[in-house]
Amino acid sequence: GAVVSQHPSRVICKSGTSVKIECRSLDFQATTMFWYRQFPKQSLMLMATSNEGSKATYEQGVEKDKFLINHASLTLSTLTVTSAHPEDSSFYICSAGFGQGAGSEQYFGPGTRLTVT
Amino acid sequence: GQSLEQPSEVTAVEGAIVQINCTYQTSGFYGLSWYQQHDGGAPTFLSYNALDGLEETGRFSSFLSRSDSYGYLLLQELQMKDSASYFCAVYNQGGKLIFGQGTELSVKP
Repeated sequence: GAVVSQHPSRVICKSGTSVKIECRSLDFQATTMFWYRQFPKQSLMLMATSNEGSKATYEQGVEKDKFLINHASLTLSTLTVTSAHPEDSSFYICSAGFGQGAGSEQYFGPGTRLTVT
Repeated sequence: GQSLEQPSEVTAVEGAIVQINCTYQTSGFYGLSWYQQHDGGAPTFLSYNALDGLEETGRFSSFLSRSDSYGYLLLQELQMKDSASYFCAVYNQGGKLIFGQGTELSVKP
């Protein structure tokens, strides 16, 4: 089956610093990767969609200068949380798909739990 | 706007059958998916319905009625390990998944 990994699984950082989260598709080439954020006991909220070699598309209300997304290859996308603040503490999950358009199945990574102190 | 409605929590006993309903209002609809998520874990894909009707996969079945903008997940022969959050999610334009708020299922002995 399709496997997506994320690194790190947990990270604690000080307020004002930046954190990079990696998302890799291990056994397939992902044309599209998605980044979600999930607060405790809440739903997954789509933050942005990234396609290899092009700029990410951010959902309304997501600051693109704060959440930098790079999709440099068909197997790697990174999310950098810049100048992190305690309110950015959350569970960040990526998913990857190799189809095009609606109905293309997404495979989720294990998530990264970010705590900003 | 886009919204998905599902019950916030459901409780059932081992061996029972439980149905989790989902109604949706989205701009562009291509299919309904269901995901399971255990505490602290990533969502796990359970099922996908693009057409009306029932899809069965082992103990889990999923139903869709596009005309009613409604679907459900049916879990049979409940086991303790089925205690988790269950999310319905709609695929809209561009392959984006829009998630419901989740239903927390508690299975009691």
